[in-house]
Amino acid sequence: DAMVIQNPRYQVTQFGKPVTLSCSQTLNHNVMYWYQQKSSQAPKLLFHYYDKDFNNEADTPDNFQSRRPNTSFCFLDIRSPGLGDAAMYLCATSREVPGVNIQYFGAGTRLSVL
Amino acid sequence: GDSVTQMEGPVTLSEEAFLTINCTYTATGYPSLFWYVQYPGEGLQLLLKATKADDKGSNKGFEATYRKETTSFHLEKGSVQVSDSAVYFCALSSNTGKLIFGQGTTLQVKP
Repeated sequence: DAMVIQNPRYQVTQFGKPVTLSCSQTLNHNVMYWYQQKSSQAPKLLFHYYDKDFNNEADTPDNFQSRRPNTSFCFLDIRSPGLGDAAMYLCATSREVPGVNIQYFGAGTRLSVL
Repeated sequence: GDSVTQMEGPVTLSEEAFLTINCTYTATGYPSLFWYVQYPGEGLQLLLKATKADDKGSNKGFEATYRKETTSFHLEKGSVQVSDSAVYFCALSSNTGKLIFGQGTTLQVKP
């Protein structure tokens, strides 16, 4: 059974048109992450929530925002998508345990920008 | 800072061949080490992990041993199958709790 669920699996948007990707989890994990993955590259962390605390990576563009209304859901908002934002977006969760951080990933949303 | 280096791919093997994908790391302290696998068009799946020196992680015929003296965590499988074709990522959990990934190694197994 899927534990980290991302919707939709494929998203097409137009240049400059806001888009929202969603992630939900049934694991009751307190940490949720958003990654961007471009072709043939490792995932790049955009930001993460530790409970309600938002932590942005220093090099994440302002164009990317996130919301976490409750423990189970987290959203990635791209305010004005550019062609360079076409990528796979991965959501992950973990339960923060000192010394061990196992992240569980969703299947990803592949974003195309036309 | 912390980093992970994997052997470059693609790695192409025939079915039932022996697989090794090398992974070395640089880190302060004692990180946990992971191998994740990504099948085409999918997210990352945790394949195996090791949390301290000399631990051996294993799953689905894959194994990796946490070698502190050589700062390595090489992935091995005795007999690969076509269904093992995927991208494999070595990763460590840094002292900030974030995952640091290697660049990924593509494995292609031919019948």
